[in-house]
Amino acid sequence: GAGVSQSPRYKVAKRGQDVALRCDPISGHVSLFWYQQALGQGPEFLTYFQNEAQLDKSGLPSDRFFAERPEGSVSTLKIQRTQQEDSAVYLCASSLAGGDTQYFGPGTRLTVL
Amino acid sequence: AQSVTQPDIHITVSEGASLELRCNYSYGATPYLFWYVQSPGQGLQLLLKYFSGDTLVQGIKGFEAEFKRSQSSFNLRKPSVHWSDAAEYFCAVGRYKLSFGAGTTVTVRA
Repeated sequence: GAGVSQSPRYKVAKRGQDVALRCDPISGHVSLFWYQQALGQGPEFLTYFQNEAQLDKSGLPSDRFFAERPEGSVSTLKIQRTQQEDSAVYLCASSLAGGDTQYFGPGTRLTVL
Repeated sequence: AQSVTQPDIHITVSEGASLELRCNYSYGATPYLFWYVQSPGQGLQLLLKYFSGDTLVQGIKGFEAEFKRSQSSFNLRKPSVHWSDAAEYFCAVGRYKLSFGAGTTVTVRA
């Protein structure tokens, strides 16, 4: 009965480094979402997958952000050439289908020095 | 465009007292509405949701919320607060792309 898991839980990167954040959704969940939560703010939508197809990436803040879900299960959010403003908690969520309830993972806290 | 406003940044309530958290939304169609709770260092846990039907929705941990279309509101209530309810609460609206409010921090005093 595992929920959504994310790794690593904490990541410290030097400015300019590339990072990769992993999300394992609930088994059988078709839809997967990434959100960014800045300190003291609510989560903000980044991108949405249905199976392996990325249906909406309108929330990705720049072309340094890239997400993939090649086999329709595990997803990776990659951030290239990290900047200090990328420091945030990155939350992953999954749902049975696109309009269903989203279940969230614990998040990855990224700190860029 | 869809959006959520949570007017109260911080609420302090005594243990055993009632709690009401306000949420106003903007959405072009019939909204899907959610309340999530987040404890420090944790992810978001769903308290309750409204998709359609009865406008008074019951959730976990003794919470309930009422959807009022005329006021574009979805306020969260609990009749008697426990110390463990201290957390941050987020209201959200959307179908697949959720828009969240900025959150309300609840402090419970003994």
